[in-house]
Amino acid sequence: GESVGLHLPTLSVQEGDNSIINCAYSNSASDYFIWYKQESGKGPQFIIDIRSNMDKRQGQRVTVLLNKTVKHLSLQIAATQPGDSAVYFCAENKDGGAAGNKLTFGGGTRVLVKP
Amino acid sequence: EPEVTQTPSHQVTQMGQEVILRCVPISNHLYFYWYRQILGQKVEFLVSFYNNEISEKSEIFDDQFSVERPDGSNFTLKIRSTKLEDSAMYFCASKQQGGNSPLHFGNGTRLTVT
Repeated sequence: GESVGLHLPTLSVQEGDNSIINCAYSNSASDYFIWYKQESGKGPQFIIDIRSNMDKRQGQRVTVLLNKTVKHLSLQIAATQPGDSAVYFCAENKDGGAAGNKLTFGGGTRVLVKP
Repeated sequence: EPEVTQTPSHQVTQMGQEVILRCVPISNHLYFYWYRQILGQKVEFLVSFYNNEISEKSEIFDDQFSVERPDGSNFTLKIRSTKLEDSAMYFCASKQQGGNSPLHFGNGTRLTVT
């Protein structure tokens, strides 16, 4: 399940440092946002989600921040590990109550963790 | 942890041929989806399926595409007459609940049309 794009922005991080991955979303009516991680040969793996009535949500080593004013979403990874090396996608959804759940994906950011 | 399973992992076909991509969603999930990713491009929504019918489909999902849940476990995507531009990774996804809840994706089928 390669998601490699020839022109993916890349974030190089030293192992143990914190990572911040940014995403600008397009639809001000979007009410649900998700971060996915994609490793080489695999499909997108759910990391964390946030609804539009929140501005911050924390998981295990990850935090998602939502700024609806500027339509910006970020994913913070604490103490980045080699296993965090992957492509990270944000996705947004409008009309979350509908069965369609039509996610719109961003272009992805490649994170490379240096030992 | 339960997984969405897709087969085959790689399918090569000639232009004009029919292909069926297969998926076994997570067993207690009720909502099913197909997405695709052309190399170098974003993941794109194709179709959603609930209660044995299509809930929503994108402009990509034209008459050449169809989905089916033939039994209680499988969910298939058929492309009737493949074109070169259908070459992509095809991801199946499922979720248990409606509304705002995350999709769980399979590892994809790489379709190569020659």
